[in-house]
Amino acid sequence: AQRVTQPEKLLSVFKGAPVELKCNYSYSGSPELFWYVQYSRQRLQLLLRHISRESIKGFTADLNKGETSFHLKKPFAQEEDSAMYYCALMGTSGSRLTFGEGTQLTVNP
Amino acid sequence: EAGVTQFPSHSVIEKGQTVTLRCDPISGHDNLYWYRRVMGKEIKFLLHFVKESKQDESGMPNNRFLAERTGGTYSTLKVQPAELEDSGVYFCASSQDWQSSYGYTFGSGTRLTVV
Repeated sequence: AQRVTQPEKLLSVFKGAPVELKCNYSYSGSPELFWYVQYSRQRLQLLLRHISRESIKGFTADLNKGETSFHLKKPFAQEEDSAMYYCALMGTSGSRLTFGEGTQLTVNP
Repeated sequence: EAGVTQFPSHSVIEKGQTVTLRCDPISGHDNLYWYRRVMGKEIKFLLHFVKESKQDESGMPNNRFLAERTGGTYSTLKVQPAELEDSGVYFCASSQDWQSSYGYTFGSGTRLTVV
């Protein structure tokens, strides 16, 4: 069975501080990992995918297969980063996404 | 290009009534997915269409839920009769490729409230 765990439902930081949103997964094969973000009153949108190893809006995420983690990081948080962040996994045998429960990030001025 | 469109954006119905949600995927996207988020819970997969065929409907909670995709274009999700626990946000998503590494494009969701 595939499972995604985001241990923090709420995370609050100050502007300019580093932020890390944790994601751990459980899957027996080699999954694809994604981060999705939902800003207030907007649709869920793709932020990052592990396969591209890119930085979007200053965010990066590294897949650590040993720790089965895919934490999302940003060195200097901005107020506009306040949103709900979801970690998601796609297995190799299908195309469904398995989501974590999400982390609501608030960046305070 | 137009994104994934969902109708209605909100729906409030009484327990026992019927509600039909609609999703228009991005033109040319063969893959269409339904997900839902019940209050306080994670977003959960409901089913996956490839064109007009149901590829995977293992996430459908029970037989009160019926999904169709006429002609491989738009899709509808009918809940009949609705129960209180069906309240939540129903998301539709589409992708061009199966197992897309680019992820999906999601619609804005339909917020269903059953009272």
